[in-house]
Amino acid sequence: DAGVIQSPRHEVTEMGQEVTLRCKPISGHDYLFWYRQTMMRGLELLIYFNNNVPIDDSGMPEDRFSAKMPNASFSTLKIQPSEPRDSAVYFCASSPHRSGNTIYFGEGSWLTVV
Amino acid sequence: DQQVKQNSPSLSVQEGRISILNCDYTNSMFDYFLWYKKYPAEGPTFLISISSIKDKNEDGRFTVFLNKSAKHLSLHIVPSQPGDSAVYFCAARLSMNYGGSQGNLIFGKGTKLSVKP
Repeated sequence: DAGVIQSPRHEVTEMGQEVTLRCKPISGHDYLFWYRQTMMRGLELLIYFNNNVPIDDSGMPEDRFSAKMPNASFSTLKIQPSEPRDSAVYFCASSPHRSGNTIYFGEGSWLTVV
Repeated sequence: DQQVKQNSPSLSVQEGRISILNCDYTNSMFDYFLWYKKYPAEGPTFLISISSIKDKNEDGRFTVFLNKSAKHLSLHIVPSQPGDSAVYFCAARLSMNYGGSQGNLIFGKGTKLSVKP
């Protein structure tokens, strides 16, 4: 079975540019999560969706960040405009309903903003 | 403030010996704890979990111990193998009775385990 699929795997962009990260969750999973990993803060939850509806976006750092889930098989995380401090690994994860809290991560999108 | 702390950034162990990874937490409303393993350039993968109503859960070479009074949990790997070399993340979930939700996990910063042949 295919796992969570993220693209791009790596992105280098200039400050001020728009960045769009994409995620395809595991088929049949009801929940989708966006996490960010940095050296300073570790893994932190940005936002999560249940049945395509955003439930908690309190982890989104600021208005420059937005996330959408137009259907059950696709989500985007957008940063506009990007800044060097946004450089991090962004993980998408999904889980089925009543999974016992286990979530399944993608391989991550490595973002560098110069 | 970090609610889940892994105070050892790294640990080195000889192959065949026991690896003990530690995790401390501050919120007594956590009711579920998980360990994830992460290899370089890959996403974290689920390893083992424990509910707050238990004090031990075992799965093959991996055992997680929970000490609620000390707000401490540990992951034991025995015997350790070179393939266990990875970063291990401790994670916790807030009880749903206190605003927690499925999959909304709070992670520690990780401990890098190196198992030497």
